[in-house]
Amino acid sequence: GQNIDQPTEMTATEGAIVQINCTYQTSGFNGLFWYQQHAGEAPTFLSYNVLDGLEEKGRFSSFLSRSKGYSYLLLKELQMKDSASYLCAVKYGAGSYQLTFGKGTKLSVIP
Amino acid sequence: KAGVTQTPRYLIKTRGQQVTLSCSPISGHRSVSWYQQTPGQGLQFLFEYFSETQRNKGNFPGRFSGRQFSNSRSEMNVSTLELGDSALYLCASSPLPGNYNEQFFGPGTRLTVL
Repeated sequence: GQNIDQPTEMTATEGAIVQINCTYQTSGFNGLFWYQQHAGEAPTFLSYNVLDGLEEKGRFSSFLSRSKGYSYLLLKELQMKDSASYLCAVKYGAGSYQLTFGKGTKLSVIP
Repeated sequence: KAGVTQTPRYLIKTRGQQVTLSCSPISGHRSVSWYQQTPGQGLQFLFEYFSETQRNKGNFPGRFSGRQFSNSRSEMNVSTLELGDSALYLCASSPLPGNYNEQFFGPGTRLTVL
């Protein structure tokens, strides 16, 4: 199978920085996505990486190392509203039309 | 522009029954994907439709099926329901297949099988 691993839960303090890691099998890799999902709501797209390096978008950044099969999502200046699950998803195969998701990391932001 | 809509939002069925869920994509989006989300397995891909054709299918039994209509609306059907089918079923639409940067999810249908 194409396992995607990420921590189950994390806790961080309001105003701090948190890094959520994701590792995946590299064979057939064709892009990595991060989604945010608040409890009881649908996932929403955060970022997309297909080349190595850091993509910054406001308080959120995503990093990719294709050779290591590794990505992380960096959240800065944490706010209470950032409490949510963060899903890492990988597209395998150039002609593939499906995403393989990790089980998600539940982030709790505390005062 | 209206978002992805799914009906019904909540559904309770008993084992052995069948169920049909509906998804209306964002206007102009022609690709629709279906996912099952459970606490134990996370989000798992079911299938993807484009131009009324199933383009890709996940690792689910044949009890799970779907179709897409000419207006891009999609339905999925689960026959002979099992307790393990209790889950949140999410539909997502995008302009074209694999266009995940522009993929938007609907609110989901919460299915409970008793």
